[in-house]
Amino acid sequence: SQTIHQWPATLVQPVGSPLSLECTVEGTSNPNLYWYRQAAGRGLQLLFYSVGIGQISSEVPQNLSASRPQDRQFILSSKKLLLSDSGFYLCAWSLGSGMLTDTQYFGPGTRLTVL
Amino acid sequence: KQEVTQIPAALSVPEGENLVLNCSFTDSAIYNLQWFRQDPGKGLTSLLLIQSSQREQTSGRLNASLDKSSGRSTLYIAASQPGDSATYLCAVKGKSNFGNEKLTFGTGTRLTIIP
Repeated sequence: SQTIHQWPATLVQPVGSPLSLECTVEGTSNPNLYWYRQAAGRGLQLLFYSVGIGQISSEVPQNLSASRPQDRQFILSSKKLLLSDSGFYLCAWSLGSGMLTDTQYFGPGTRLTVL
Repeated sequence: KQEVTQIPAALSVPEGENLVLNCSFTDSAIYNLQWFRQDPGKGLTSLLLIQSSQREQTSGRLNASLDKSSGRSTLYIAASQPGDSATYLCAVKGKSNFGNEKLTFGTGTRLTIIP
């Protein structure tokens, strides 16, 4: 069966510090991978989307970047965190079948607080 | 631009009652609609997925309907239990500006079942 892992579960970082959040998927190959952010009182916002190694699409311009160094590994990064980067970050995967009807499966999330 | 609205934002009902959660979306060009459950500080759990060609899906005490032409979906929960307390999120899948698939989420309905 497929599982998705995120770490760390919680993180408190000062403004201006770097960030690295990691997401890994087990039990499937060539998945589509996603990073979402859930800010307080707002819905989930898609940040990045990847259909394969080294292929990243960004939905919104921002202070963050994403990388996919391996097939089942997705990393969210920042060189200098802003207060507005605080939120709940969720990684998700779906089958890389190209079927737009496929469902997405979500990880447990990382709570990031920038002080 | 797709917008997803969920009403009400919060709902409290006594245990045992049946209830309906509402979701509306502005662009009917969707591939599917998904209902998720989110417990506090946790990731998302998929409850039901309705393809654009379907009218409804059922799983146990849950029934979700979809009226694509009017841009509406409902999640019906029968015989509510305290364990049903959570935030329920509706999400529609369409195409992003880049031509990729994109889930657009509502802000959720926070449900509290009173024992």
